[in-house]
Amino acid sequence: KNQVEQSPQSLIILEGKNCTLQCNYTVSPFSNLRWYKQDTGRGPVSLTIMTFSENTKSNGRYTATLDADTKQSSLHITASQLSDSASYICVVRAGLQAQLWSRKERGSTLGRLYFGRGTQLTVWP
Amino acid sequence: DVKVTQSSRYLVKRTGEKVFLECVQDMDHENMFWYRQDPGLGLRLIYFSYDVKMKEKGDIPEGYSVSREKKERFSLILESASTNQTSMYLCASSLRTGFGSPLHFGNGTRLTVT
Repeated sequence: KNQVEQSPQSLIILEGKNCTLQCNYTVSPFSNLRWYKQDTGRGPVSLTIMTFSENTKSNGRYTATLDADTKQSSLHITASQLSDSASYICVVRAGLQAQLWSRKERGSTLGRLYFGRGTQLTVWP
Repeated sequence: DVKVTQSSRYLVKRTGEKVFLECVQDMDHENMFWYRQDPGLGLRLIYFSYDVKMKEKGDIPEGYSVSREKKERFSLILESASTNQTSMYLCASSLRTGFGSPLHFGNGTRLTVT
């Protein structure tokens, strides 16, 4: 069964500290993995995308890693700020072969998305 | 920047009412989606559309229908609202052909059914 599991469910850290959020998936075949940040009362916003060939990618203070062999990804936040308080959602896109859903999209090469339940990060001053 | 606009931030409806949730995007995206988000369950796909007048069921379509008469607009309809449809509803859009294209979300409509 294709699943995406995130840990921890919630996390509290002090401003200025680092933290790492985890995402484990069983989605197969794999296409890509994306991390979203969702501020309270807002829709999720993409932080970064990881493809099969990428191990590490940075976006400012955010660094994502991907180990496609073990099917694990992490999001590391450096020198946390109060504005980092949010829910972080891991989303995995399946590859094409096994996805009936994707074949319904005319002209599309996209596979189905699988969502984690998110990690709620709170940064205290 | 892509903008996805949901017509209402908060809605309160009574059981049995017909409810319309509207979503408009301004970037000519082919794909549009409706999700609901519940604590502890994450985002779940209700319906999606990959073109005007085209729609496909997602994981939890029961009790919902959709309409896409124009490319920029995607409506979610609750034919007869029930209390278990109290939730946060998120609309999203994306390009059709980019496997790396992200979902662009609206800010959500929090629906309460009493």
